[in-house]
Parts: sequence; C-alpha cells; structure tokens
Amino acid sequence: AQKVTQAQTEISVVEKEDVTLDCVYETRDTTYYLFWYKQPPSGELVFLIRRNSFDEQNEISGRYSWNFQKSTSSFNFTITASQVVDSAVYFCALSEARGSGNTGKLIFGQGTTLQVKP
Amino acid sequence: NAGVMQNPRHLVRRRGQEARLRCSPMKGHSHVYWYRQLPEEGLKFMVYLQKENIIDESGMPKERFSAEFPKEGPSILRIQQVVRGDSAAYFCASSPTLGQLEKLFFGSGTQLSVL
Repeated sequence: AQKVTQAQTEISVVEKEDVTLDCVYETRDTTYYLFWYKQPPSGELVFLIRRNSFDEQNEISGRYSWNFQKSTSSFNFTITASQVVDSAVYFCALSEARGSGNTGKLIFGQGTTLQVKP
Repeated sequence: NAGVMQNPRHLVRRRGQEARLRCSPMKGHSHVYWYRQLPEEGLKFMVYLQKENIIDESGMPKERFSAEFPKEGPSILRIQQVVRGDSAAYFCASSPTLGQLEKLFFGSGTQLSVL
C-alpha cells in the first residue's frame, strides 16, 4: 500500500531560522511523483513542487529547497531564513500509479504545521 | 486563464439537509478530482471523474455521497442528509488529461459546516 508520513506535527521557529520538514513515503511503484503543497491560514492549497521518481536531483527555488533521497524514500523540504509569511500547514503527497500511467490520485501526508515567530 | 473555481466558499447546513458543492475546472481540463480534508487531517481522495463518467470512486462513502461531471456545466459533489461528521473542507482539482500531474491544480475549497 502507498503511504506518506510526515512525522512532525508542529514546528515552531523564530524568523530567519532555517527549518526542514520531513517526508517519508512508501510505494511499490517504480514510477511515481512526489509533491509539496502549502496551505496558508486562508485555506487554499498552493502547489510548491512536483518531483518525478527518476529525477533525484535536488532543487532550489529561492529560499526553498528539496532533497529527494530514493534510497531512504524521503523527500524533505527546507526553508532557509524563514519568514512569518511561511507560517502554514505543509503537505507532502505521492501520486498513485495504476496500469500504464499515473491516475492523478494523490496520497497526502497528515501535514506539518509550521509557525514562524517574529 | 481562471483557475479551478469552487463555490460556495463556505456552506452551512443543518443535519438532514442536502449539500451541493460545485467545481468548475480550469479551461481545457476534462478531468476532475474531489478530496476531503477533515479537521486536523490531510486530504483524502474521494472520486475521480471525466466528462460524464465516474472513473474511480474508491474514496467515496457508500451512502449519501454522489458526484457527477456533466457534459455541460460544473462538477457537483452532492451530500444528502448531512451529519455533523461531514463537516470538512472539500477540495476539487482538475487536469487536462490523465497522468498530467504537473498540470493538476486545486481550487480554494468549500468549507462545509453542519450544525
């Protein structure tokens, strides 16, 4: 069965600190996608990144970076120099593959609530 | 190009009433997915539809819940005889074709509150 685990329920940091959000996944598929979404207090889901299972290169986008380690089935997310506006719930998700292609059905982790204090 | 539109944004119903949640996918998208987020939990898949067809409803409760995506108009998630446990945020996502997950976009959600 496919599963996504975000072991950190809540994290609190002070502004300008770096913070890493952990994500561990389980799947038997060889082809899959991993995602990170941000859910600010307003409630909408904001897409952050999608990573193909064949692409293990780490990615950096401004203050955000992602570390994909297939050997440990982890896809961790780091925010550098955190800001108050980063306060949100962050979800890691795994796509479900079926047959010849991905279905678009995502398996979400429980989410990590990040609070950045000024 | 407008994103995925969900309405209403907030919906209040009393126990036993019906709730109808609407989702207009992005222009050119013919695949719609509904997810439910219970309080303090992650999103859970409910149903996947293409125009006029239900492809996968493995996450839908067996009773009281139904979904449709007609040839014309928005996708509708319908909950009959709502109970307090149905209170949740319901998100809709759309994509242009099967498997194009880089083009999977979510709406802002409908917050359903059952009194």
